[in-house]
Amino acid sequence: EIVLTQSPGTLSLSPGERATLSCRASQSVSSFYLAWYQQKPGQAPRLLIYGASTRATGIPDRFSGSGSGTDFTLTISRLEPEDFAVYYCQVYGSSPMYTFGQGTKLEIK
Amino acid sequence: EVQLVESGGGLLQPGGSLRLSCAASGFTFSTYSMNWVRQSPGKGLEWLSYISSSGTTIYYADSVKGRFTISRDNAKNSLYLQMNSLRVEDSAVYYCARAALVSPDYWGQGTLVTVSS
Repeated sequence: EIVLTQSPGTLSLSPGERATLSCRASQSVSSFYLAWYQQKPGQAPRLLIYGASTRATGIPDRFSGSGSGTDFTLTISRLEPEDFAVYYCQVYGSSPMYTFGQGTKLEIK
Repeated sequence: EVQLVESGGGLLQPGGSLRLSCAASGFTFSTYSMNWVRQSPGKGLEWLSYISSSGTTIYYADSVKGRFTISRDNAKNSLYLQMNSLRVEDSAVYYCARAALVSPDYWGQGTLVTVSS
């Protein structure tokens, strides 16, 4: 089973700043299988990035994903007030079918 | 607009059973595989089960294998999760999520299941 470890656990930044979130896999994964989600309180997760770097429909271009092998990054170039939320990485595997990281909380400084 | 609406959650005692439903609209349900995912404070997001568009291929997480059963009715645009032998640790918000390529793309708002004596 692939384990995803996200860091930091909490990131405190101000609007307008750049956010860099990390996701490390316990074994090498295909970039094709790596996704990022945003979740706000009381809401369902929202797909941001799939295939490690492709933005989902309607996602602003300030969100970008990169990485390969075991290290992946979600970058938010200039934080907007609505970007403060919890972010999860996710990988498609064989068993279990999907594994999620524990999340990074992005909070307003 | 893609919409997924879960229902059927509630409060029940350990050992009990519950059937969750997910009503889909805004897309051709019969052409998409679907998933159930749950979220609890202690375990975060946990994938539970997958069903192919036709219902012929099904997978379960080890944590629910033998206790939960996923099914679908394409004529009714509905997904189901039958949960038996419920445990305290099954308490969570349960989401249905559409499978697209290799990542769930649309999720419902979730239904809360609380198992407590």
